[in-house]
Amino acid sequence: DGGITQSPKYLFRKEGQNVTLSCEQNLNHDAMYWYRQDPGQGLRLIYYSQIVNDFQKGDIAEGYSVSREKKESFPLTVTSAQKNPTAFYLCASSGSTGAGSNQPQHFGDGTRLSIL
Amino acid sequence: QKEVEQDPGPLSVPEGAIVSLNCTYSNSAFQYFMWYRQYSRKGPELLMYTYSSGNKEDGRFTAQVDKSSKYISLFIRDSQPSDSATYLCARPLDTGRRALTFGSGTRLQVQP
Repeated sequence: DGGITQSPKYLFRKEGQNVTLSCEQNLNHDAMYWYRQDPGQGLRLIYYSQIVNDFQKGDIAEGYSVSREKKESFPLTVTSAQKNPTAFYLCASSGSTGAGSNQPQHFGDGTRLSIL
Repeated sequence: QKEVEQDPGPLSVPEGAIVSLNCTYSNSAFQYFMWYRQYSRKGPELLMYTYSSGNKEDGRFTAQVDKSSKYISLFIRDSQPSDSATYLCARPLDTGRRALTFGSGTRLQVQP
């Protein structure tokens, strides 16, 4: 069954701690994305990657870091510099990176991060 | 101004009602829009996508784009309690990037 797996489902962070959220896809998609969702708000783009070993900042990248060493994996690290990390984090992927081609995005079921 | 504006609701309707969910957008450069449905504590799932103006129908769902008024709509016929969810409209963030920009979502509750 193809899809996107995010883990853990719930995560707690202590002050000053970095935490890493996992995202794995077996859809053979080139592009992967991280969004943040706060209550009553839409999704906001943190980082995205269109190919392996390349990624770009989104609208709210400060306090976050990513890597894209494998096509299937796009982990997100929430660093201690992110002062308000409590949110629902969603990973997505899509199948095309070509300009003019609009492949829809498929989402995982998210990780809910809270501060201890 | 947000790229995509959406009434947050909540919208409560009786079972069987026709539901109209709406978004407005500000940038006319994009002709490709998506509707996602998100159940509580789950990731969004793609419901429909549509290009350009006009209607696209899929079962009980119809997506409509009105370029002249920069309005996109999702109609749900014969609404069911299982349709209770948050509905998000989205469009590409900009040309050359696959990322999306989303409305804030409309929460729909269908009462049995």
